[in-house]
Amino acid sequence: GDSVTQMEGPVTLSEEAFLTINCTYTATGYPSLFWYVQYPGEGLQLLLKATKADDKGSNKGFEATYRKETTSFHLEKGSVQVSDSAVYFCALSKTSYDKVIFGPGTSLSVIP
Amino acid sequence: DGGITQSPKYLFRKEGQNVTLSCEQNLNHDAMYWYRQDPGQGLRLIYYSQIVNDFQKGDIAEGYSVSREKKESFPLTVTSAQKNPTAFYLCASRRTGTTSYEQYFGPGTRLTVT
Repeated sequence: GDSVTQMEGPVTLSEEAFLTINCTYTATGYPSLFWYVQYPGEGLQLLLKATKADDKGSNKGFEATYRKETTSFHLEKGSVQVSDSAVYFCALSKTSYDKVIFGPGTSLSVIP
Repeated sequence: DGGITQSPKYLFRKEGQNVTLSCEQNLNHDAMYWYRQDPGQGLRLIYYSQIVNDFQKGDIAEGYSVSREKKESFPLTVTSAQKNPTAFYLCASRRTGTTSYEQYFGPGTRLTVT
């Protein structure tokens, strides 16, 4: 079946460091891909999305490019802040009726 | 503002009692979902509903029940049959029949059963 794999956490970075969180997926067809962020004690918020190959999603300095040839959707940010400390989930969905498949989440801590 | 509300934020119950978690949305979304999240864990799907008066079991439905009498509302009942009910519960919704597949989430309810 379809699945999403993310790099193991937790990830700890110093403020202003470069962030990469790896995400790869297995799916038939052409899924849409998402990154969600969850701050402590809160629900998930959609961070960015991409709907087809080579699309780049971006928001709040975060970016991810839909790479069909490597089935990847890695999340990047050039300079992280303490306020970026959260859990990040990669996800996919093939239609608006299919279940959303979530990765296990990657916890990020940014220290001053 | 459109969004999803879950109430209460924190809920405490004694073992053996049923408890109902509220989820309301004013986004006019057709589909609604309930997830469970345990500390340091990902999301597990409990139940979902694509349309009023219809719902399907997710991956961990045992010990839970739902109803979908109105488009805006999808309450979840945690019954006494649920062996380990203490968790963070998240409600989500999304449009169907469109090219946008993302879900939108509520703020969550943290249930503690002792």
